[in-house]
Amino acid sequence: GAGVSQTPSNKVTEKGKYVELRCDPISGHTALYWYRQSLGQGPEFLIYFQGTGAADDSGLPNDRFFAVRPEGSVSTLKIQRTERGDSAVYLCASSASLTGLQYFGPGTRLTVT
Amino acid sequence: ILNVEQSPQSLHVQEGDSTNFTCSFPSSNFYALHWYRWETAKSPEALFVMTLNGDEKKKGRISATLNTKEGYSYLYIKGSQPEDSATYLCAHYTGANSKLTFGKGITLSVRP
Repeated sequence: GAGVSQTPSNKVTEKGKYVELRCDPISGHTALYWYRQSLGQGPEFLIYFQGTGAADDSGLPNDRFFAVRPEGSVSTLKIQRTERGDSAVYLCASSASLTGLQYFGPGTRLTVT
Repeated sequence: ILNVEQSPQSLHVQEGDSTNFTCSFPSSNFYALHWYRWETAKSPEALFVMTLNGDEKKKGRISATLNTKEGYSYLYIKGSQPEDSATYLCAHYTGANSKLTFGKGITLSVRP
């Protein structure tokens, strides 16, 4: 079956612009996660959805970052007034497992110039 | 241990060598320990999800062990092949409705 998909695969934007990153999880998975991987680091948690609601948004670095999942399926990560430090690979994962097994998308590589 | 730590950070081996990696994690509040393999330009792929102290899991030439009391896990690759070249991530899971906390990963490069 189809895995987790993310679009776009690459995004180059200028400092100060607004970007949206999309995640399409595995059908039926109620849990959806966003992570960010910066150079030399492991994936860092941003936000977790259970259904339509954000169950844990403690990883969002500041109020320029926002994410939605209005129908409990597709999620969009929104970044306002992008900064060069936002450059990273943004990973999305979905899960239906009690052990937390997560299925990852291929990521969106965001470059802010 | 407060964070998830992995060592070494990178490893370069010859085809046919066996290798092992270490993952250390907080031993308190443990639910599961995950190992993922992340090849360039692909999605991270789960190798193992380990939940029980003393667990040993195997998939082909790759195996892993778990010690929850002292907070570490080992990943072994027997007879490394060039296709094993990837970043290997471990992640700590503290239970339902929680996130994965990842280590920085170990980048393995296997020379033919």
